[in-house]
Amino acid sequence: DTGVSQDPRHKITKRGQNVTFRCDPISEHNRLYWYRQTLGQGPEFLTYFQNEAQLEKSRLLSDRFSAERPKGSFSTLEIQRTEQGDSAMYLCASSLSGGPSYEQYFGPGTRLTVT
Amino acid sequence: AQSVTQLDSQVPVFEEAPVELRCNYSSSVSVYLFWYVQYPNQGLQLLLKYLSGSTLVKGINGFEAEFNKSQTSFHLRKPSVHISDTAEYFCAVNTRSSSASKIIFGSGTRLSIRP
Repeated sequence: DTGVSQDPRHKITKRGQNVTFRCDPISEHNRLYWYRQTLGQGPEFLTYFQNEAQLEKSRLLSDRFSAERPKGSFSTLEIQRTEQGDSAMYLCASSLSGGPSYEQYFGPGTRLTVT
Repeated sequence: AQSVTQLDSQVPVFEEAPVELRCNYSSSVSVYLFWYVQYPNQGLQLLLKYLSGSTLVKGINGFEAEFNKSQTSFHLRKPSVHISDTAEYFCAVNTRSSSASKIIFGSGTRLSIRP
């Protein structure tokens, strides 16, 4: 399978714990995006990387959130001191630069539940 | 800034009936327009896109959409729906800029098909 993969698919954690999600993009894609989708809403942009450089961050990405893409391949999204409001689906997408960024391919998402 | 409004949060239709899902957008610059579909427990899949040229665009699974610049609309249509079309549909925009990254999504329309 050459699509975008995300791990884990589901995560239940207690408030105050730290969680980390992983995204593996399509292998030749050098752009990688993170979105958050809450119940009943469309996805909202969080951040994006071109290769290993984080080029844009949304104001939704509070200080408790950090994303990395150390070797320009997979990416991790960490949430520290989770809060109930962090419960959401976290979506990863990838694309090629050099073309319009609309061609974003999405992974299946990681559903986070904070109790 | 750009925004997307999907006027109906839920649309119930009978199988084999036609359907229209409405979308209006707001932007001070030219945009690309898209419709994505999200099946239960899956990621987003691109249905169709408008970049330029003909205002009527055809996508996968028999869906089509018409771009209306004066109305700032991009409504999605299908002449005859099937049970398998049950899903959530998102209208989205991206600006026509080489530095553009994020996609702005609407809040979604849940399409439910009755037998």
